[in-house]
Amino acid sequence: AQKVTQAQTEISVVEKEDVTLDCVYETRDTTYYLFWYKQPPSGELVFLIRRNSFDEQNEISGRYSWNFQKSTSSFNFTITASQVVDSAVYFCALSVIPQGGSEKLVFGKGTKLTVNP
Amino acid sequence: DTGVSQDPRHKITKRGQNVTFRCDPISEHNRLYWYRQTLGQGPEFLTYFQNEAQLEKSRLLSDRFSAERPKGSFSTLEIQRTEQGDSAMYLCASSLAVGLTDTQYFGPGTRLTVL
Repeated sequence: AQKVTQAQTEISVVEKEDVTLDCVYETRDTTYYLFWYKQPPSGELVFLIRRNSFDEQNEISGRYSWNFQKSTSSFNFTITASQVVDSAVYFCALSVIPQGGSEKLVFGKGTKLTVNP
Repeated sequence: DTGVSQDPRHKITKRGQNVTFRCDPISEHNRLYWYRQTLGQGPEFLTYFQNEAQLEKSRLLSDRFSAERPKGSFSTLEIQRTEQGDSAMYLCASSLAVGLTDTQYFGPGTRLTVL
């Protein structure tokens, strides 16, 4: 079975601070995909990134960066110089290559980030 | 491309009533997923369609729940004899399967309140 743990329930920072959101996953599959989604107050889940289990290169996109470490089963997300608009709930998710089934996403419980001005 | 749309956005109903939600996926996306999200939790998978075929259902999907995707385009999720425990956000996602995996894009959700 797959499991995603986001131990940080809520984080509050002041604008321009850097913040890291932790994600730890469990799976016995050797091929899997990891995702981050953002859910602003409006409720719609916004796709941020997808990484596969064979690619451990860190990725940077503007102020966002992701650190994938298979050795610790972690896929952490860092926002540099946070802004008020970054305030949202962030979800980490996992999917595995199915054997006849769907590639359903298994989500963590989310981390609520509040960026104060 | 327009995104995934869901209708209605909000639904308030009384216990015991039937409700139906609609999801319109991104054009040409062949996969469609339904998830349920309760307060303070991440979304949980309910069911999945590849084109018009429903290929997987979660154990969360009791007999009171039924989903269809009749022409491989839009989908409906019906809940019969609603219970207060059905109160949640119902999310729809679609994807285009390319190679081994897909990326799911979500709609705004339908928030159901059962009184």
